[in-house]
Amino acid sequence: EDKVVQSPLSLVVHEGDTVTLNCSYEVTNFRSLLWYKQEKKAPTFLFMLTSSGIEKKSGRLSSILDKKELFSILNITATQTGDSAVYLCALGGSNYKLTFGKGTLLTVNP
Amino acid sequence: DARVTQTPRHKVTEMGQEVTMRCQPILGHNTVFWYRQTMMQGLELLAYFRNRAPLDDSGMPKDRFSAEMPDATLATLKIQPSEPRDSAVYFCASGLGTKNQPQHFGDGTRLSIL
Repeated sequence: EDKVVQSPLSLVVHEGDTVTLNCSYEVTNFRSLLWYKQEKKAPTFLFMLTSSGIEKKSGRLSSILDKKELFSILNITATQTGDSAVYLCALGGSNYKLTFGKGTLLTVNP
Repeated sequence: DARVTQTPRHKVTEMGQEVTMRCQPILGHNTVFWYRQTMMQGLELLAYFRNRAPLDDSGMPKDRFSAEMPDATLATLKIQPSEPRDSAVYFCASGLGTKNQPQHFGDGTRLSIL
C-alpha cells in the first residue's frame, strides 16, 4: 500500500522566515509527487514532480524530489502571513490515484 | 478560470436521512474523484471514475455509499442511510486523466449528521 508521511505536523514561524516542509513516501508504482496548499476550502495545486533533482519553482516557493531516498521538500522563502495554510503532499501511483499525507499546518505570524 | 463546482456547500441533516452531493467537473476533464477529509484521517479517496466508468470504489463503505456519473458534467455521491460518523468535508476533484496532469479540487461539501 502506498504511504505518505509529512513532517512536521505543524510549524509556527515569523514573517520573513524560510521554512522547509518534508514529505517521505513508499510506493509500488511511482508516477508523480504533488504538493497542494489548503486554506479554508479546496486544496490548490502547487507543484508536480516526476524527476529526481529537478527543482520546480514558483515565486517564493520551490520543491525538489529525491526518488532514490524517497522524499520531497517544499521550501518557502521570505514567508508572509498569506502563506499560512495546510500544505499537503500527495503521491501519484497507479491508475491516477492520489495518496495524501496528513499535511503540515504552517502558521506565519506577523 | 475553470473550476470544479460542488453542491451543496453545507449540509446538516439527521441520522438516517439520505444525503446526495453533486459535482460538476471541469469541462473536458475525463477523470473524477471523490475524497473525504476528516481531522483524524486526512484526505481519503472514496471512489473515482474515468470516462464516466467507475474504476475504483474500494475506499467507500458499500452498504451505504454509492457514486455515479449519469453524464460527463455530473457526478453524484449518495449516502443512505447517513450516520454521525459520516460527518466530514467531501471533496470532488477532476483531471485530464493523462500522465503528469494534476487533479483540481472543488470547494467541498461540509456534511454534518446529527
